[in-house]
Amino acid sequence: DTEVTQTPKHLVMGMTNKKSLKCEQHMGHRAMYWYKQKAKKPPELMFVYSYEKLSINESVPSRFSPECPNSSLLNLHLHALQPEDSALYLCASSQGPGRAPSGNTIYFGEGSWLTVV
Amino acid sequence: DAKTTQPNSMESNEEEPVHLPCNHSTISGTDYIHWYRQLPSQGPEYVIHGLTSNVNNRMASLAIAEDRKSSTLILHRATLRDAAVYYCILRDWTGKLIFGQGTTLQVKP
Repeated sequence: DTEVTQTPKHLVMGMTNKKSLKCEQHMGHRAMYWYKQKAKKPPELMFVYSYEKLSINESVPSRFSPECPNSSLLNLHLHALQPEDSALYLCASSQGPGRAPSGNTIYFGEGSWLTVV
Repeated sequence: DAKTTQPNSMESNEEEPVHLPCNHSTISGTDYIHWYRQLPSQGPEYVIHGLTSNVNNRMASLAIAEDRKSSTLILHRATLRDAAVYYCILRDWTGKLIFGQGTTLQVKP
């Protein structure tokens, strides 16, 4: 099983709402990632968790708050978002810590399409 | 983060080989070369990776120049399902996977 499952697939939220995106993997991976992808652009790295601890934050605004409750789950809490935050949010995971070795394969989910109105 | 340069788009005929080039002149000795592809409305999918030697797997082959400043992803027989954006990525010691603009591959029947 090489599956990363993301829910919901689609989310529409208002700028004052609080919502969460969820990601789950059962491959025993110890590194998990959040990426953001705008239309016709490449994915942009947001956060990396290694062994359930945040190891990389790519200067993401605080209205995005990641959480890793256990080694299989990764959440992205959303609050006070702007319309320009509308995008595809991708979760990914890899065996071993995110920092090494660089040869690890990263497996991506199909993403959650977020629309902020 | 080390940079890669790829053509914006390429075309291929179905069942013919495709060679997707990538330049990475600033690659360091410990950077791995990864290729991912993204089909429409899907998350990126791992294709292949290598460090110094050429690599083969069931999806593709990766040819790495001797000086490691360039590489080529080879799809041996393109199918319509191979139409996607192909990303060549250098992954450094931090483990970060930083995507460039990629090459959009069109496959004509």
